[in-house]
Amino acid sequence: DAKTTQPPSMDCAEGRAANLPCNHSTISGNEYVYWYRQIHSQGPQYIIHGLKNNETNEMASLIITEDRKSSTLILPHATLRDTAVYYCIVKAAGNKLTFGGGTRVLVKP
Amino acid sequence: AAGVIQSPRHLIKEKRETATLKCYPIPRHDTVYWYQQGPGQDPQFLISFYEKMQSDKGSIPDRFSAQQFSDYHSELNMSSLELGDSALYFCASSLQENYGYTFGSGTRLTVV
Repeated sequence: DAKTTQPPSMDCAEGRAANLPCNHSTISGNEYVYWYRQIHSQGPQYIIHGLKNNETNEMASLIITEDRKSSTLILPHATLRDTAVYYCIVKAAGNKLTFGGGTRVLVKP
Repeated sequence: AAGVIQSPRHLIKEKRETATLKCYPIPRHDTVYWYQQGPGQDPQFLISFYEKMQSDKGSIPDRFSAQQFSDYHSELNMSSLELGDSALYFCASSLQENYGYTFGSGTRLTVV
């Protein structure tokens, strides 16, 4: 599975949108972009995934560039409970999830 | 909605003892995964089962074994425990691709 690069940390203001970038320049055509988050000591939580089209659900939006080499997870109105480590993971169907790095997001009041 | 159930939530064992962690996946999910997360580290994949057969293996020590039973629950057996085995152990389940994994709340194992 392709490697991803994320900033190690970022702060955002409560109530504002949080935009989390992810680079995956070596992504293959059959690999999906997944986002998970882990709130301190809890089990990782699935947020969203996509192949090439932008996706939106009740938690977040996923914007994937046309060349698929990068993506952005958008939390539209960050709350204090969104403070977590956010993982961007690229993987093909049937492959396991591999966690690495991630962005530590701190939502400040 | 039913979630992934792990038991026990906390476990304290002495060195060289054995431990068994249990995982009950979401009903009708056909794949179970085990992850280990040491202090300050990212979750590391240990092993997975698809339809009760081992489907993938990660950095699981030879002292550990796992299986999935006919009712789809899974157990992670850990023997000759070492201090370094102290970690959070997560189980996750999913339906065959490309759906997201659902993780349990984890078992915190402390080896003393």
